[in-house]
Amino acid sequence: NAGVTQTPKFRILKIGQSMTLQCTQDMNHNYMYWYRQDPGMGLKLIYYSVGAGITDKGEVPNGYNVSRSTTEDFPLRLELAAPSQTSVYFCASSWTAYNEQFFGPGTRLTVL
Amino acid sequence: ELKVEQNPLFLSMQEGKNYTIYCNYSTTSDRLYWYRQDPGKSLESLFVLLSNGAVKQEGRLMASLDTKARLSTLHITAAVHDLSATYFCAVDSEVNYGGSQGNLIFGKGTKLSVKP
Repeated sequence: NAGVTQTPKFRILKIGQSMTLQCTQDMNHNYMYWYRQDPGMGLKLIYYSVGAGITDKGEVPNGYNVSRSTTEDFPLRLELAAPSQTSVYFCASSWTAYNEQFFGPGTRLTVL
Repeated sequence: ELKVEQNPLFLSMQEGKNYTIYCNYSTTSDRLYWYRQDPGKSLESLFVLLSNGAVKQEGRLMASLDTKARLSTLHITAAVHDLSATYFCAVDSEVNYGGSQGNLIFGKGTKLSVKP
């Protein structure tokens, strides 16, 4: 099992550009999450999904969008990138709401 | 609003010593998680605590949960250099979302450095 994979690993965007961060898991987990981690801080939840076709906002959803058309994939879309979106983005998945979450390797995004 | 506070935020220890990291949270929850993060790496699950009085141990680390005090502790016994990392506690924010969806509120992390 590859677990949770994310692409790209690194990306530099210009202000106003858009991009999609990819997340795929091969554990057949229903629950998937997107977090951002700013330097010296814990993680903050952006969006989550409890199954294919179902998504909802977390703590910090502004400037982002998600979709979940399959169990495996949970892409995060950034529209009109801003410097405040410079961060490390982690995707995670879990079998149920109570189980441990498995994290992907992260995408380091810089917006200049 | 659920708040999660860890202390200390920085901890420098000598090998062989014991210490405890504290995780306090502000509203009712009986689900708490501990994760480890090495520099530049992802998060690795350490412990899942799902009820009052839960205690889990793995090697030199032991975690406990007191839901009445809204407190979890991560105790380190006879620290070794390999334990150097940042440790996060995370609490299920079911209070915020009206029923658990696994939405976690993370503390800021405790950066542990174990020196010879």
